[in-house]
Amino acid sequence: DAGVIQSPRHEVTEMGQEVTLRCKPISGHNSLFWYRQTMMRGLELLIYFNNNVPIDDSGMPEDRFSAKMPNASFSTLKIQPSEPRDSAVYFCASMYLPDPLLALNYGYTFGSGTRLTVV
Amino acid sequence: AQTVTQSQPEMSVQEAETVTLSCTYDTSESDYYLFWYKQPPSRQMILVIRQEAYKQQNATENRFSVNFQKAAKSFSLKISDSQLGDAAMYFCALNSGYALNFGKGTSLLVTP
Repeated sequence: DAGVIQSPRHEVTEMGQEVTLRCKPISGHNSLFWYRQTMMRGLELLIYFNNNVPIDDSGMPEDRFSAKMPNASFSTLKIQPSEPRDSAVYFCASMYLPDPLLALNYGYTFGSGTRLTVV
Repeated sequence: AQTVTQSQPEMSVQEAETVTLSCTYDTSESDYYLFWYKQPPSRQMILVIRQEAYKQQNATENRFSVNFQKAAKSFSLKISDSQLGDAAMYFCALNSGYALNFGKGTSLLVTP
């Protein structure tokens, strides 16, 4: 298995531009998570999908951020318009959860992340 | 609310020596799991070890072991026989539902 695949690995964009980050979870995994990592705030959960349905989006910082999961093998995180404070590493992670609200002992499998720089 | 605190921003250890990374947490849940993740310069988040809260026995994975003190809400990671490849950021994480809550991390430097 190729693991969780994220693209691009690096993205540099100008303030005000639209940015789309992509994630392909591990085949058979029904749960997908988007995390953001910054020096100041560490790793924060942005949104959680189970069976392609958003279960918890309380971590999405503001309306400029949106995420979709049109099918079990693809998810996007979009920022429009982007701002310099959005600069961070964005991780996607997936796992199989028989109960959508109970992960407990399951460790996520993370992708390699996308480093976003907004100038 | 759940919190995870790693009070050591940086640690250093000599090759072949032993180092302990500290983590404390707070949760009102009775059933939860604790994890240590390693993040090398490649950015990949790698699961190192996990501990079930209701198990008193400390988890061990080869050179990695934990000291889980449930009453004190402490979950430290011990790395024995440190190797140069152990140099990385280490994150402690707590899960009592579906979301992992992470500490801010400890940067481990391994010197020859």
